Amino acid sequence: EAGVAQSPRYKIIEKRQSVAFWCNPISGHATLYWYQQILGQGPKLLIQFQNNGVVDDSQLPKDRFSAERLKGVDSTLKIQPAKLEDSAVYLCASSPRLGERGDEQFFGPGTRLTVL
Amino acid sequence: GNSVTQMEGPVTLSEEAFLTINCTYTATGYPSLFWYVQYPGEGLQLLLKATKADDKGSNKGFEATYRKETTSFHLEKGSVQVSDSAVYFCALSDTGSARQLTFGSGTQLTVLP
Repeated sequence: EAGVAQSPRYKIIEKRQSVAFWCNPISGHATLYWYQQILGQGPKLLIQFQNNGVVDDSQLPKDRFSAERLKGVDSTLKIQPAKLEDSAVYLCASSPRLGERGDEQFFGPGTRLTVL
Repeated sequence: GNSVTQMEGPVTLSEEAFLTINCTYTATGYPSLFWYVQYPGEGLQLLLKATKADDKGSNKGFEATYRKETTSFHLEKGSVQVSDSAVYFCALSDTGSARQLTFGSGTQLTVLP
């Protein structure tokens, strides 16, 4: 079974530029998550989708971040414009269902963003 | 809100030493508890989990017991190997329908031969 795919793996941009990350979850997984992991910290949830609907985006900085999940499969996370403090690893994860106790989340390799 | 406090690292051990990484949590209700591991250059992967009090999760020689009375989920391994070198994250999943994960800050483990 193929895992969660993410691209690009690395991205370097200047502040105020725009950037987009792509995620392809495990086939058939209904729930998709985007996390931000700043160096030395644990991942922090940005947004959660169930199929193509948003379950929770309360921690997404909506003035600069946006995300969508096309047709309930692939997802794109965009930052526009980027700030220095956005330098982090952006992780995508998926899980089979929503609301099942103990369900595992499967993580992609992440995209490391450096904002100069 | 929910939070997870993890033992600060980095931790350096010799091969075959005993490992403990402490993890305590704050949550309402009865969360599920997880340990995730991140090997160099790889994504996070589930190491073990426990979904109710007194449950013991185990995998690859690692164990952790869900202790409700002390709100803890400490990770242990009796004899570490060089291949166990990684970053370990404790996490909880809330009791709401969204089942979101809250992570600790991670503990870097280095095992020397």
